[in-house]
This record gives sequence, C-alpha cells and structure tokens, in this order.
Amino acid sequence: EIVLTQSPATLSLSPGERATLSCRASESVSSSYIAWYQQKPGQAPRLLIYGASNRATGIPDRFSGSGSGTDFTLTISRVEPEDFAVFYCQYNGRSRTWTFGQGTKVEVK
Amino acid sequence: QVQLVQSGAEVKTPGSAVKVSCRASGDTFSSYAIIWVRQAPGQGLEWMGGIIPIFGSANYAQQFQGRVSIAADDSTSTVYLEFSTLRFEDTAVYYCARSKLGSGYLDTWGQGTLVAVSS
Repeated sequence: EIVLTQSPATLSLSPGERATLSCRASESVSSSYIAWYQQKPGQAPRLLIYGASNRATGIPDRFSGSGSGTDFTLTISRVEPEDFAVFYCQYNGRSRTWTFGQGTKVEVK
Repeated sequence: QVQLVQSGAEVKTPGSAVKVSCRASGDTFSSYAIIWVRQAPGQGLEWMGGIIPIFGSANYAQQFQGRVSIAADDSTSTVYLEFSTLRFEDTAVYYCARSKLGSGYLDTWGQGTLVAVSS
C-alpha cells in the first residue's frame, strides 16, 4: 500500500512569497497518477494539478507541479491572498485505490 | 458542465446505518468512476471506496470492508453510499468525486454531506 507523506504540515508565508510543498511516496509511483488539490474551509477540494505537472482548467499559472519517482512538489510562485488553504496530494493506484497525503496548510504569516 | 449533487445532512445514532446519494447533473456517469471520500472534523481526506457505474463493479478500502456498500442507478445517474454500524468516530463530511476512467485524478466533487453520529 502506497503511503503519501506531505511536508511541511504548516507553511507560514506572506502574500507574494514563494510556496514549496512536498509530497513523498513510500515507493516509486507513476507520475501520471499524482494530483494536487486545494481545499478552503467549508468547501470541497478543487483539482489544481494532474499527471504531476499539468494544470487543471482555470488554474492560474502561478501554480506548478513537478517530480517523479517518489518525490513530488507543488509550487506557488507568488502566493496570493486567495491561495491560503490546505493542499493535498493524491495517488491513484493500479487496483483502483486512492491515497491522499495528510495535507499541508498554507497560512498567513 | 457536470455537477455532483449530494443528499442532505444526516444525524444518526450509534449502530444505525446511513445512505447518502450523489447525482450527476448535466452529464451521465459513462466513462467515469465515482468514489467516496470522507473528512472527519479538522482531519484530512480518506478514500472509502468507489464504483464504475457502467460495469457495476465496486471496490472498497480495507478499513471499510464489510461496513460500506456502494451502488449505482444508471437510470437516474445516481450513486449511493450505504454505511452501516455507525460509530461516533464516523462523524464526518462525506464527498463523492468523479474520475474519468484511467485519468488518475478527480475532476469534479460533490458539495459534501455531513453525517453526524450522536446519541
């Protein structure tokens, strides 16, 4: 069973700063099945990135994803006020299983 | 544009069961899988199980085997989550989400259904 570990648990930043969020898999996985989501309080998660590096429809280009093997990264080039939220990485396994990381909260410094 | 519309909040007693629905509005379930994810208060996302409606085959996370049943009704484009023998710790928001077969990601989410287990 693949386990996804996100770090840090909390990232305290000021608007305009760069955010770098990490997602590490317990074993090598196909990047095609890695996605990132943003969740704001009281809302459902929203797809940001799929296939490790592809932005979903309507997602601003300040969001980017990268990585392969066991290490994946979500970067927000300049954090905007509306970006403060919790971010989750996700892996879809061969046997139709779905695994989520425990989340990284990006909060106002 | 497709929306997933879930049924309303429920309050249940320990040991009882709950059935939550997820209806696709503006599209059908063809070529998609529907999964269920729950989120306990202040916690992260936890996959429970899923179904491919056109095949009718469901699969479940190991920790929910035997307590969860997922079924689909193609005629109404609705997927159901039935969760039995509820415990206090099952209090959570339950989300359905859609994945195009083979895509590896969830492109559409329901609004969530709060299930509160209370005596």
